[in-house]
Amino acid sequence: EAQVTQNPRYLITVTGKKLTVTCSQNMNHEYMSWYRQDPGLGLRQIYYSMNVEVTDKGDVPEGYKVSRKEKRNFPLILESPSPNQTSLYFCASSRGNEQYFGPGTRLTVT
Amino acid sequence: GENVEQHPSTLSVQEGDSAVIKCTYSDSASNYFPWYKQELGKRPQLIIDIRSNVGEKKDQRIAVTLNKTAKHFSLHITETQPEDSAVYFCAAVVSGNTPLVFGKGTRLSVIA
Repeated sequence: EAQVTQNPRYLITVTGKKLTVTCSQNMNHEYMSWYRQDPGLGLRQIYYSMNVEVTDKGDVPEGYKVSRKEKRNFPLILESPSPNQTSLYFCASSRGNEQYFGPGTRLTVT
Repeated sequence: GENVEQHPSTLSVQEGDSAVIKCTYSDSASNYFPWYKQELGKRPQLIIDIRSNVGEKKDQRIAVTLNKTAKHFSLHITETQPEDSAVYFCAAVVSGNTPLVFGKGTRLSVIA
């Protein structure tokens, strides 16, 4: 089944404790992206990647890192999480223009 | 860069009535305009899209219209049903070139 997967789905952590949210797709898509979704602010792009080893900042990249060592994986790294990074995170992938979203990761930073 | 404005932010309609959500975009080079539906607790999913070489596209009860001159596009849902209740996002992009830019979303509530 063609899909985008994210792990973990839910995470509660403390300020400053490094964490990684994984994203994987099995559709051989070149393009992958991370969004955060907050009430009233819609979907804001954090980082995106047009292909392996190519990453670019989106609208809200501060406090996040990404890597794209292989086509199928695009992990999101929070080196030192802060409470303002509490949010719902979505990974997405596409080849053409239609984006396929992962199931989301709800992150709470206390 | 591209900027997408979406209105209204919330919309309530009676079951069976029509709902219209409007978006404007700023980059005249944008040529692909998708609409995503996000049900409560779920991921956004594409429901319909339109390219700049057409003015209207329909799929059963949903339709999208595009006015390139005015740089706006709209989602029309007819004969609304309770299962249409969701958050709807519009987006715009220069196809194959840059990332999608999303509007802030419209929360549609269909009242039975």
